[in-house]
Amino acid sequence: EDQVTQSPEALRLQEGESSSLNCSYTVSGLRGLFWYRQDPGKGPEFLFTLYSAGEEKEKERLKATLTKKESFLHITAPKPEDSATYLCAVPPVSGGYNKLIFGAGTRLAVHP
Amino acid sequence: EPEVTQTPSHQVTQMGQEVILRCVPISNHLYFYWYRQILGQKVEFLVSFYNNEISEKSEIFDDQFSVERPDGSNFTLKIRSTKLEDSAMYFCASRLVPNYGYTFGSGTRLTVV
Repeated sequence: EDQVTQSPEALRLQEGESSSLNCSYTVSGLRGLFWYRQDPGKGPEFLFTLYSAGEEKEKERLKATLTKKESFLHITAPKPEDSATYLCAVPPVSGGYNKLIFGAGTRLAVHP
Repeated sequence: EPEVTQTPSHQVTQMGQEVILRCVPISNHLYFYWYRQILGQKVEFLVSFYNNEISEKSEIFDDQFSVERPDGSNFTLKIRSTKLEDSAMYFCASRLVPNYGYTFGSGTRLTVV
C-alpha cells in the first residue's frame, strides 16, 4: 500500500533555529513529491514539486530535497511567520496523477 | 495571483439534508478535485474531474456524493443525505497540467448536526 509518513509530528523552534522536516514514502516509481504549507482553517498552499533523487528547490527560508526514499524540508533561520503545518504528498503508483496521497503533516511552531 | 474560490466558508446542516458546496476554479485550469479533511486528520482524496467527467473517485465518494461542472466556471460537490461523519473541511483544488501542484481553495467547513 502506498504510504507517506512525516516526522516529527510537531516541532517547536526558536526564531533563527534551523531544522529539517522529514517525509518518507513507500510508493515505488515516484512520479513527483509535493510539499504544501497549511495554515489553521485554510487550504494547503503549494510550495514545491520534486521529481528525481538529488533534486533541490528553494523558496525564501525553505529548501526541499529528495532522495530515493524520502524528502527533507530544511528551514533556515525560521521566523514566527513560518509557523504552519507542512504537508507532503505523492501520487500513488496506480491512477496517474488523478489524486495525491497526503502525509499527516508536521506542525511547526516558531517562537520569538 | 489567481485563486480558487469556495462558498460558503461554513455551512451547518441537519443530518439527512442535502448540501451543495461550490467552487470556482482558476479559469484556465483543466483538472478539478475535491478533498476533505476531518479535524485533526489527513487531507484525503474524494474525486477528480477532467473533461466533464469523473477521472477517479475514492471509496468515500459513494452514491451520496456527486460532482458537477454546470457551466464554464463553477464546480460543485453535492452530498444528498448528510451524515454526522461527513462533518469536515472540504477543499476544492484545480491545476492546469496533471503533474504540477494543485491550487487549493480556502475550504468549506461543513458541520452536520
